[in-house]
Amino acid sequence: QVQLQESDPGVVKPSETLSLSCTVSGGSISPYYWSWIRQPPGKGLEWIGYIYYTGDAKYNPSLRSRVYMSVDTSKNLFSLSLTSVRAADTAVYYCARGSGDWDFWGQGTLVTVSS
Amino acid sequence: QSALTQPASVSGSPGQSITVSCTGTSDDVGGYNIVSWYQQHPGKAPKLMIYEVSKRPSGVSFRFSGSKSGNTASLTISGLQAEDEADYYCCSYAGSYSYVFGSGTKVTVL
Repeated sequence: QVQLQESDPGVVKPSETLSLSCTVSGGSISPYYWSWIRQPPGKGLEWIGYIYYTGDAKYNPSLRSRVYMSVDTSKNLFSLSLTSVRAADTAVYYCARGSGDWDFWGQGTLVTVSS
Repeated sequence: QSALTQPASVSGSPGQSITVSCTGTSDDVGGYNIVSWYQQHPGKAPKLMIYEVSKRPSGVSFRFSGSKSGNTASLTISGLQAEDEADYYCCSYAGSYSYVFGSGTKVTVL
């Protein structure tokens, strides 16, 4: 059974960079797409972007200027960086397998943007 | 890229059938047969229930079905059970390698 586990950055200060990684176990990171999705407290889901195991990434147009994703096939993990964070970026961040039909999800990690 | 429109809440009695709608535009729901549905219980990660409009992943109950007409996709839950009480989100491909979620619907079993 494929399992995903997000890292836990906890609190990030405004204007700094949020960095998250997602470790995949129970299966290979190739040849799949891998995504990041977030959910502000009490609100709905927002797609952030996805990356193919080759490193080709696509991002939500509303976040494109601040988002970067990478993949490390040797460590079976992929990562998310979100720059210049603000309070509105406070959310539970999920990693998931797929690009539109996400069949395996991490448990999610709450990232709070606060000084 | 605006969120797809879903009713805030839908309710039904055990054994009944309910339908959750998901309305978009010809740029997303209406333009592609790439609509998925997710069930989310409080404090849990979403679970894939339907993909590509009407396909059910292995292990998902046959009581869940999906369809689409024009710019509106629908999720129907038949034989409503207590464990179906959760939030449901639709998601559609929106062109240019992007996806958009619906606003979410709280399903209540009376």
